[in-house]
Amino acid sequence: AQTVTQSQPEMSVQEAETVTLSCTYDTSESDYYLFWYKQPPSRQMILVIRQEAYKQQNATENRFSVNFQKAAKSFSLKISDSQLGDAAMYFCAYLSYNFNKFYFGSGTKLNVKP
Amino acid sequence: NAGVTQTPKFQVLKTGQSMTLQCAQDMNHEYMSWYRQDPGMGLRLIHYSVGAGITDQGEVPNGYNVSRSTTEDFPLRLLSAAPSQTSVYFCASSLDRARTGELFFGEGSRLTVL
Repeated sequence: AQTVTQSQPEMSVQEAETVTLSCTYDTSESDYYLFWYKQPPSRQMILVIRQEAYKQQNATENRFSVNFQKAAKSFSLKISDSQLGDAAMYFCAYLSYNFNKFYFGSGTKLNVKP
Repeated sequence: NAGVTQTPKFQVLKTGQSMTLQCAQDMNHEYMSWYRQDPGMGLRLIHYSVGAGITDQGEVPNGYNVSRSTTEDFPLRLLSAAPSQTSVYFCASSLDRARTGELFFGEGSRLTVL
């Protein structure tokens, strides 16, 4: 089974600053998808950004961007111009090549200081 | 727009009791899945279904049963509850995970087994 590791249980960032959340994964597959999901205190899971493994270009969604290093099996999330509403748990996730199983990391709690 | 609806939101059981967590979606999604979320462990896949009449096991299926008689509903059954099943449970569905990978989550059900 694939494993997804988030080594930072908790991080803090000052409002308007930039923060990077780390994620590594282990797989023998060549085709897969990677995601970052956000879980605010309301508990509702929200998709932040996705990356197809076959694409070399890093995905970007407004203030959110990823640094995808396929050979290193690394998938970090950069949040620019952090806002108070970014405070949440962030989960890195892997979708297997047959598109049936998602594997989630243990999460990183992001605190945003005003 | 209802999206993914889970019931109940909270439940307390005694060891050995059985219960069913209900999950319904109104988006005509073929793919549905159940996860449990435990502190420090992220979300772990229990069971999933790629369509009516088709179910399969995830990472942690023991102690849980599922069925998929309709596209809309995907109930999760606890046969004989144990304290180790105390957790927050999420149901999630997807229209086209191969293309977008986006999971739509319910609001979660907090289960406590005494």
